[in-house]
Amino acid sequence: GDSVTQMEGPVTLSEEAFLTINCTYTATGYPSLFWYVQYPGEGLQLLLKATKADDKGSNKGFEATYRKETTSFHLEKGSVQVSDSAVYFCALRKANDYKLSFGAGTTVTVRA
Amino acid sequence: DAGVIQSPRHEVTEMGQEVTLRCKPISGHDYLFWYRQTMMRGLELLIYFNNNVPIDDSGMPEDRFSAKMPNASFSTLKIQPSEPRDSAVYFCASSLDGAIPREQYFGPGTRLTVT
Repeated sequence: GDSVTQMEGPVTLSEEAFLTINCTYTATGYPSLFWYVQYPGEGLQLLLKATKADDKGSNKGFEATYRKETTSFHLEKGSVQVSDSAVYFCALRKANDYKLSFGAGTTVTVRA
Repeated sequence: DAGVIQSPRHEVTEMGQEVTLRCKPISGHDYLFWYRQTMMRGLELLIYFNNNVPIDDSGMPEDRFSAKMPNASFSTLKIQPSEPRDSAVYFCASSLDGAIPREQYFGPGTRLTVT
């Protein structure tokens, strides 16, 4: 079945450090890929998305590129801030389906 | 728009009691999803509706769980009787058909504690 695997956390960084969270997926066909962020005490928010191979999603300084050859969608940010402390979820949705399959989530803590 | 609204935000109940969680989707959205989040199992899709009709309830853990959507602006998730292992954060999300790639908007969640 479809699945998403994320790097395990927690990840602790200093402000202005570079962040990478690895995400790989298993799915048939051409799924859409997403990164969601969950700030403490809140629901999930869509951070960025990509719908086809080589698409790059970007938002709030975060980027992720849909790599079909490596079935990956790694999240990156060049200079993190304390406000980026959150749990990050990678997810996929198959074409013509409405269900999202989520990874386990990666907790990121950024220290001042 | 106010976004997806869930109530209550926190619920503490004793084992064996009935629990009802409520969700108001974003106006005009025709898909509604219920998720459960736990440390052990992560985010799990329980059930989703399209135009108030349940489409896939394969994620509902057992008969103690039931969900309804009597109209386009309201859904409930009921647990009867509740058990300590039901303790989790329950999220509701809604989506608009036809929007590519059909982004789901999540509510703030209901944190359920069953003692």
